[in-house]
Amino acid sequence: GAGVSQSPRYKVAKRGQDVALRCDPISGHVSLFWYQQALGQGPEFLTYFQNEAQLDKSGLPSDRFFAERPEGSVSTLKIQRTQQEDSAVYLCASTSIGVSDRPTFGSGTRLTVV
Amino acid sequence: DQQVKQNSPSLSVQEGRISILNCDYTNSMFDYFLWYKKYPAEGPTFLISISSIKDKNEDGRFTVFLNKSAKHLSLHIVPSQPGDSAVYFCAASASGGSNYKLTFGKGTLLTVNP
Repeated sequence: GAGVSQSPRYKVAKRGQDVALRCDPISGHVSLFWYQQALGQGPEFLTYFQNEAQLDKSGLPSDRFFAERPEGSVSTLKIQRTQQEDSAVYLCASTSIGVSDRPTFGSGTRLTVV
Repeated sequence: DQQVKQNSPSLSVQEGRISILNCDYTNSMFDYFLWYKKYPAEGPTFLISISSIKDKNEDGRFTVFLNKSAKHLSLHIVPSQPGDSAVYFCAASASGGSNYKLTFGKGTLLTVNP
């Protein structure tokens, strides 16, 4: 596609509920990233995929967070047993290998846990 | 500890004047710096970048200056236009194994008044 597409745009979850956030990267982009942006903060790195391989998950805040990209294109970020502190905008970004490091970001999913 | 700091949460300038947005970093391993622009409800959009081998990079109305000894960079917008009103994020990465990982500042809200 023309850009990075994320769905849903908005998600309200009750505390304890599981959620799944989807990211469709730009077609052909090898690298995919997830970032978390809390209110009033800059984006913070969560995890990095190169094709289907998750090469870095050091930013995932807890074992309730899980990301996958099984076929090397679409990625899903799953949060189990959501907590209020998980409320944030979750941004997905992708970049083509061989291009300098300028990820293209999607519009994000705003997650509110009530 | 914030490794990338944008100490001005907001800046207001008149249309046609210069906007100067500042960014400081503490990690001496950072060697690539980017500025992203973000409109409400949209993802960050890449604006301009600079490598540590340079001290200036210019693209149209946008110029980024890097002072490595002071660990400081700045973004100059001349002349400023109302459409430039947005949140500007400074980001940095380090070459080596984690060069894909961007560390962001908290952002500066720029308002350009007509």
